[in-house]
Amino acid sequence: DAKTTQPNSMESNEEEPVHLPCNHSTISGTDYIHWYRQLPSQGPEYVIHGLTSNVNNRMASLAIAEDRKSSTLILHRATLRDAAVYYCILRDVMGSAGKSTFGDGTTLTVKP
Amino acid sequence: SQTIHQWPATLVQPVGSPLSLECTVEGTSNPNLYWYRQAAGRGLQLLFYSVGIGQISSEVPQNLSASRPQDRQFILSSKKLLLSDSGFYLCAWRGWAKNIQYFGAGTRLSVL
Repeated sequence: DAKTTQPNSMESNEEEPVHLPCNHSTISGTDYIHWYRQLPSQGPEYVIHGLTSNVNNRMASLAIAEDRKSSTLILHRATLRDAAVYYCILRDVMGSAGKSTFGDGTTLTVKP
Repeated sequence: SQTIHQWPATLVQPVGSPLSLECTVEGTSNPNLYWYRQAAGRGLQLLFYSVGIGQISSEVPQNLSASRPQDRQFILSSKKLLLSDSGFYLCAWRGWAKNIQYFGAGTRLSVL
């Protein structure tokens, strides 16, 4: 499976935008980029995913580089409830039973 | 709508005792099912996945086993727990439409 690289931690102020980067230089053409987040003592929850084009939903936006070797999860206005570990993973739509590697993710701290 | 149930939420077991964690999914048919383990402050380690009844794939050799006796039931077991089996265990399912994983609330296992 192709791997992703994320910073260990990031900080943000409440109500300011947050840009969480992810590098995936070995991404294949059939890999979707998925983002999940995990609140303390809970299971991860799906945030957003995309293939080539930028994507928006009610939770966040996903900006994908033109060469697809990196992506950025954008939280437009961070709240205290956004403090979590954010995971960027690659998921091959063609197979592998949907297996994906969840690395250590980025721990986001939101300051009031 | 689909839901995933995982129990118990917390469990304290002595070394050498057996283990049985159960996960059930509602509202979907023939899902892919997964068991993960998470050490404190780390990412998710895939332990087992299943693409159908009785079909189990193991990702990491260990003291644990998994079974899928029914379409929407996934069980994680051990005959004799080790101290190193302590951790946060997560069950997840994946549908076929969007290749998104949905996680249970997790079981925090402490082996003493």
